[in-house]
Amino acid sequence: DSGVTQTPKHLITATGQRVTLRCSPRSGDLSVYWYQQSLDQGLQFLIQYYNGEERAKGNILERFSAQQFPDLHSELNLSSLELGDSALYFCASSETPRGTDTQYFGPGTRLTVL
Amino acid sequence: AQTVTQSQPEMSVQEAETVTLSCTYDTSESDYYLFWYKQPPSRQMILVIRQEAYKQQNATENRFSVNFQKAAKSFSLKISDSQLGDAAMYFCAYRSNNAGNMLTFGGGTRLMVKP
Repeated sequence: DSGVTQTPKHLITATGQRVTLRCSPRSGDLSVYWYQQSLDQGLQFLIQYYNGEERAKGNILERFSAQQFPDLHSELNLSSLELGDSALYFCASSETPRGTDTQYFGPGTRLTVL
Repeated sequence: AQTVTQSQPEMSVQEAETVTLSCTYDTSESDYYLFWYKQPPSRQMILVIRQEAYKQQNATENRFSVNFQKAAKSFSLKISDSQLGDAAMYFCAYRSNNAGNMLTFGGGTRLMVKP
């Protein structure tokens, strides 16, 4: 158990819908990262937050957005869902954004878009 | 942009034997970190080992060790005394110490362990 929690574990929805994925980082970790793992794209970085502020953006679609709240939990919002958005979405956390800090991954949320 | 390449989609090893997984990366930076993550069927991402680019000594963690060749931009993982529980997907990952600190992953190598 990494200490990072993600809810829900599984999500099944239809095209065009909107969903919210939730992540709680390890106690004391201020930085949160979101990654997407799909068959087509492999594992890729989406977005990073540090202490409530967006820190870095990767290959995140405009239909996707995220935020980190004052209690440090983070949410990833996916809208106008398409079949290709079906993937495993991971949240990871680290104490700070420093490269020396290990990123610990949550168990992931499996999103299926029908 | 940095890229990470794992040229072996699948590998197999006999239980108790040794196997080496390959990884190459491309970067123009000098300050970075390299990682191997294990993803078992549960899909959890588990850190296996990390290497700081400024360290010449290869990292080791019990049965896991790396061969880090900075000039060649190569970072292979050696698993000794392979166990059935080592069967998983293994991902090589790169992380800059300068920009963003996100992980850039390779495509993964599926390791099968034969009893």
